[in-house]
Amino acid sequence: DAGVTQSPTHLIKTRGQQVTLRCSPISGHKSVSWYQQVLGQGPQFIFQYYEKEERGRGNFPDRFSARQFPNYSSELNVNALLLGDSALYLCASSSTGGPYNEQFFGPGTRLTVL
Amino acid sequence: AQKITQTQPGMFVQEKEAVTLDCTYDTSDPSYGLFWYKQPSSGEMIFLIYQGSYDQQNATEGRYSLNFQKARKSANLVISASQLGDSAMYFCAMRDFKAAGNKLTFGGGTRVLVKP
Repeated sequence: DAGVTQSPTHLIKTRGQQVTLRCSPISGHKSVSWYQQVLGQGPQFIFQYYEKEERGRGNFPDRFSARQFPNYSSELNVNALLLGDSALYLCASSSTGGPYNEQFFGPGTRLTVL
Repeated sequence: AQKITQTQPGMFVQEKEAVTLDCTYDTSDPSYGLFWYKQPSSGEMIFLIYQGSYDQQNATEGRYSLNFQKARKSANLVISASQLGDSAMYFCAMRDFKAAGNKLTFGGGTRVLVKP
C-alpha cells in the first residue's frame, strides 16, 4: 500500500502570493494533520481534519486554511505569503484521528518564499 | 501548555557504540504519550518508539529503547550499536490524551552523526 503522498515536492513563490499544498492519506485513513517545520526547528502543528471537520488548530494566523475532501485528501492554503512561511510542510494521516492512533508522515513539501 | 526540550543540538557517535539522546517534557496532564521520530535528510518523519505515561516498563523496539523517568519528566532515547544509517535528526514529541485530536508537540531536535 502507498504511504502518505504530498504534492508538489518543492515550490518557490514570492511574497504576497498564495499557495496550495496537497496531501493524500494512506488508504482507509480518515484523518489528516498538517505541520510546519522551519529550518532548524521541530515541526509545529497547524491543523487536524477528521471526516472533513476541523478537529484542531494550532497557533497560526488566518492566512493559513485547510480543508478535507470526501476522499479524505486534504489541501493546505496559505495566503499573502511572507518570507517566514518558508518551511517544510508535513502532512500526517491516521486511521481515526483520535489520540491513541499512530500518525504516518509524508515526505513533505518544501516551500521557499522569495 | 505542553513543552518538549531537547538540549543537545548535535552529537557525534562512533559506529557500533551506543548513544543517548535527552528529552525532557512539561505537562500538567496525567495521561499522555511520548514519541521519538527520526528525520533523515529526505524530510520524512519516521516513527521509532512510543511510551505511554501509565506504562510500567520502558519501551523497546529493536536497537531503540526509551529510558522513561516519569518523576523527572524525562524520556531519553538510547540507540544501541549505532550504524551509519542512523545519521539523522531525532525528534522527541508528546501527545495529550485528554484532547480529542492527535496533535503532536515536538522538541527542537538533536542531530546525530555516526562516524565510521
